[in-house]
Amino acid sequence: DGGITQSPKYLFRKEGQNVTLSCEQNLNHDAMYWYRQDPGQGLRLIYYSQIVNDFQKGDIAEGYSVSREKKESFPLTVTSAQKNPTAFYLCASSKTLPSNQPQHFGDGTRLSIL
Amino acid sequence: GQSLEQPSEVTAVEGAIVQINCTYQTSGFYGLSWYQQHDGGAPTFLSYNALDGLEETGRFSSFLSRSDSYGYLLLQELQMKDSASYFCAVRGSSASKIIFGSGTRLSIRP
Repeated sequence: DGGITQSPKYLFRKEGQNVTLSCEQNLNHDAMYWYRQDPGQGLRLIYYSQIVNDFQKGDIAEGYSVSREKKESFPLTVTSAQKNPTAFYLCASSKTLPSNQPQHFGDGTRLSIL
Repeated sequence: GQSLEQPSEVTAVEGAIVQINCTYQTSGFYGLSWYQQHDGGAPTFLSYNALDGLEETGRFSSFLSRSDSYGYLLLQELQMKDSASYFCAVRGSSASKIIFGSGTRLSIRP
């Protein structure tokens, strides 16, 4: 079955360390997204990519970086510049058009500070 | 900018009907979607409205009024398993950029 795989499920970061969250999809979707969710809060867009080798900042991109070298993969790096990284990170993908295409989400990665 | 507003919490009784409202402000509009998220889980797609009116999918219906920048999700014959958070989301300034509301936590009493 097609879907989105995020790994790891849980991740711990030390002070000053960069960590990378993996997101892979086999749905043949063009668009991929990263969201951050804090406890009891909504989803905030970090970065999104409409096509390979192209991505745009979302609303809270500071302290994060992404790459889109392959259609299937959209890894997110949480850098040491992100001072409050503890959150639930969700990766999603969708067809770009038509616009009624739903987003499909991975099961998320919970990131905590050691 | 883009913003969406929805109530933070709603409580309802099992078997009843509940409506969750969403108002939005966007520079463009490509449609309003609704997602359900159980605690600790991933959001799952429920419905999508691009045109005005009501869309029905089983016990769930979604309504859109583009002139009012307003939509709602209607849940009928509530079941305990419907206890979850519900998010509205819009494709606004570009068809690929999807912004979510802060979510409405639905609690259902027996």
